[in-house]
Amino acid sequence: DAGITQSPRHKVTETGTPVTLRCHQTENHRYMYWYRQDPGHGLRLIHYSYGVKDTDKGEVSDGYSVSRSKTEDFLLTLESATSSQTSVYFCAIRGTAVATEAFFGQGTRLTVV
Amino acid sequence: DQQVKQNSPSLSVQEGRISILNCDYTNSMFDYFLWYKKYPAEGPTFLISISSIKDKNEDGRFTVFLNKSAKHLSLHIVPSQPGDSAVYFCAASEGRGAQKLVFGQGTRLTINP
Repeated sequence: DAGITQSPRHKVTETGTPVTLRCHQTENHRYMYWYRQDPGHGLRLIHYSYGVKDTDKGEVSDGYSVSRSKTEDFLLTLESATSSQTSVYFCAIRGTAVATEAFFGQGTRLTVV
Repeated sequence: DQQVKQNSPSLSVQEGRISILNCDYTNSMFDYFLWYKKYPAEGPTFLISISSIKDKNEDGRFTVFLNKSAKHLSLHIVPSQPGDSAVYFCAASEGRGAQKLVFGQGTRLTINP
């Protein structure tokens, strides 16, 4: 199994509070991604990173920020959580070759009450 | 702007028959396509992929077909087994630059005994 760990695995937080989710990899892969999965929407890309300090927005980036200060860690921050951000969040990693798959973490279930 | 679309939210197939899952894309710059399988409470796992230089790729019971002119790909599972019941996602990426990886909404496949 690819070395990718998400923390925490479950979190309940109140509306308006900041939340940070962590993705840690031991594979030294260049690309890292944050997705959210919601019924009827599948996996939607929030932000992704193509190197240390190099990040870009995905299709649903509003309300989220990311940081990657080390190759192995990719942080997703909800500055002020809202109920619409209740979701399951997945981190993925991918190598640099064109023909390579992405490996996913186990997911973080976030509930904003 | 949904660049990757799976228009069938669900599919039910009898055990032993063929399952065909479809995926359409709009971005002509996509040149690498992947299928993922997801069980409840787990992260997606890679199933099979295809590069745009091919029109077919086979791996055991799984075959992916790519029709570039129609911007359409399909996943065939033959014969279908109960363990194939899961949500299937197709994904696409451009093999250059930041390698954004975009997923479809998913299709829930149920294999009936």
